Amino acid sequence: AQSVTQPDIHITVSEGASLELRCNYSYGATPYLFWYVQSPGQGLQLLLKYFSGDTLVQGIKGFEAEFKRSQSSFNLRKPSVHWSDAAEYFCAVGASYIPTFGRGTSLIVHP
Amino acid sequence: DTGVSQDPRHKITKRGQNVTFRCDPISEHNRLYWYRQTLGQGPEFLTYFQNEAQLEKSRLLSDRFSAERPKGSFSTLEIQRTEQGDSAMYLCASSLIPTGPARAYEQYFGPGTRLTVT
Repeated sequence: AQSVTQPDIHITVSEGASLELRCNYSYGATPYLFWYVQSPGQGLQLLLKYFSGDTLVQGIKGFEAEFKRSQSSFNLRKPSVHWSDAAEYFCAVGASYIPTFGRGTSLIVHP
Repeated sequence: DTGVSQDPRHKITKRGQNVTFRCDPISEHNRLYWYRQTLGQGPEFLTYFQNEAQLEKSRLLSDRFSAERPKGSFSTLEIQRTEQGDSAMYLCASSLIPTGPARAYEQYFGPGTRLTVT
């Protein structure tokens, strides 16, 4: 069975600083991997996804993620964080069209 | 673009009562999904429909839970004899029928219904 680990419950960064959110997955085959963002009172929004090909994936809102098979990781990055990026971020691995989500990382942005 | 809507947004109920939630998907989407999200956790899959047919149910969906999508449009999720452990955010999502994995995962989520059982 697939699983996702997001080791950081909370991450605090200053506005303008770079960001990296960690995600490790367990899956028996080539995984489908995703990052979602959830703002307070909002539904989840898909930031980016990886299915195959280029291991560096570009998403919306200036986010990118890199798939590293050797490390079973799919970390999310952004070079310069904006205050509006404060939200909950979920990594997910997919199989049979239904994603399995990690528990999420809460991003706090200081001015 | 109206997106996925859910009603109500919040529901407080007493243990033992029945509750029903509604989800209206994006109009042209054939698939509709229900998830449950508890505090500090990611969403967990409950069930999904393709048009009117309920194609898959998670083992999380106990006998007290029932979901319907009678005309292939909106869906309802009912919980009978609610328990305090049912307190959670219930999320609905919709998508087109996938022509491949990429399309399957383009699920659009609603804002959720937060259930509190006292």
